[in-house]
Amino acid sequence: DGGITQSPKYLFRKEGQNVTLSCEQNLNHDAMYWYRQDPGQGLRLIYYSQIVNDFQKGDIAEGYSVSREKKESFPLTVTSAQKNPTAFYLCASSHGRVKRGPTDTQYFGPGTRLTVL
Amino acid sequence: GESVGLHLPTLSVQEGDNSIINCAYSNSASDYFIWYKQESGKGPQFIIDIRSNMDKRQGQRVTVLLNKTVKHLSLQIAATQPGDSAVYFCAEKAGNMLTFGGGTRLMVKP
Repeated sequence: DGGITQSPKYLFRKEGQNVTLSCEQNLNHDAMYWYRQDPGQGLRLIYYSQIVNDFQKGDIAEGYSVSREKKESFPLTVTSAQKNPTAFYLCASSHGRVKRGPTDTQYFGPGTRLTVL
Repeated sequence: GESVGLHLPTLSVQEGDNSIINCAYSNSASDYFIWYKQESGKGPQFIIDIRSNMDKRQGQRVTVLLNKTVKHLSLQIAATQPGDSAVYFCAEKAGNMLTFGGGTRLMVKP
């Protein structure tokens, strides 16, 4: 987990509600990422940000939104447009390819488990 | 909805034995590879990495082998302990993005 925190650990949402998952890092990392993990599956990239005030869609961005107003923070909003949001959400950060080149390792937070009721 | 419950391949080993977890990667342009360990309900934890210009890298009790010819990566754990029980993921990197494999569950029998 290192210096990456995610909150809350568990989150319950009613259908039709938007919810925001928090991710904070104190590692002075430039890049941050959001992944979704479903049971028995690998990680799929939702959004990523290489630098403050900039972010890019990943493979499954539909129904999600992000912001990167501060270097330390990369909140993820799961909107009502996301049809099947129940999953384990993981945030990660890294120094960024500019600083570390190809060996830019991502470090993960402890995750937030979102359940839609 | 999405499919749920794809069964992970499982490796069951006796405590004290060596474990070998395998991973096939897809992109011949990948230049960096990472192994992660994920315990139940937690985020993935970095174990060891290797660049594509290397064939082997050793850490404490772990060794990663890379065979670029057949696009195969393996993680060897020496003297496996109960605390090694987890799901292990390989990840390949081409450009800025990591692509993760589906994972292998390691179960250690006491």
